[in-house]
Amino acid sequence: SQTIHQWPATLVQPVGSPLSLECTVEGTSNPNLYWYRQAAGRGLQLLFYSVGIGQISSEVPQNLSASRPQDRQFILSSKKLLLSDSGFYLCAWRGSAYNSPLHFGNGTRLTVT
Amino acid sequence: GDSVTQMEGPVTLSEEAFLTINCTYTATGYPSLFWYVQYPGEGLQLLLKATKADDKGSNKGFEATYRKETTSFHLEKGSVQVSDSAVYFCALDTDKLIFGTGTRLQVFP
Repeated sequence: SQTIHQWPATLVQPVGSPLSLECTVEGTSNPNLYWYRQAAGRGLQLLFYSVGIGQISSEVPQNLSASRPQDRQFILSSKKLLLSDSGFYLCAWRGSAYNSPLHFGNGTRLTVT
Repeated sequence: GDSVTQMEGPVTLSEEAFLTINCTYTATGYPSLFWYVQYPGEGLQLLLKATKADDKGSNKGFEATYRKETTSFHLEKGSVQVSDSAVYFCALDTDKLIFGTGTRLQVFP
């Protein structure tokens, strides 16, 4: 069966420090991968999605970036964190078939201080 | 552009009460519609889905019917339990999923 792993679960980082969040999927190949952010009291904001290795689409201009170095690995990064980057970050995957549902990881709670 | 609008929460109910969480959408074409649930401290889980007009998705006692004429996909449950307390997200799927802002449900014994 397919599983998705996301780490770390919680992270506290100072303003201006770098960020790297990692997500891996097991049990499937060539998944579509997504990074969402959930800010307190707000809905889910799609940040990046990828339909293949090295293919990244950005939905919102910001100081974050994403990379997909391997088929089932998706990394969210920042060179310098801002206070406004605090939030709950969710990685998700789905198959390439039309209308496949999203499967989410357990999320990373990021607090920028 | 495509969008989803959900009723604001929190929705507070007593156990065994009837639940409705409203969801309407704006989309070109014929999107699929989903409800996801997020329990405290966790990621989202798919609750149910409907892929075409008049389809009814159902799971764990929850139901939602895809109403094209009213562009709605309201979530209902006849008798809620304390364990249903969570945040519920409506979403539509074109080439990527667009989520509503979520509705927090609190069920008290």
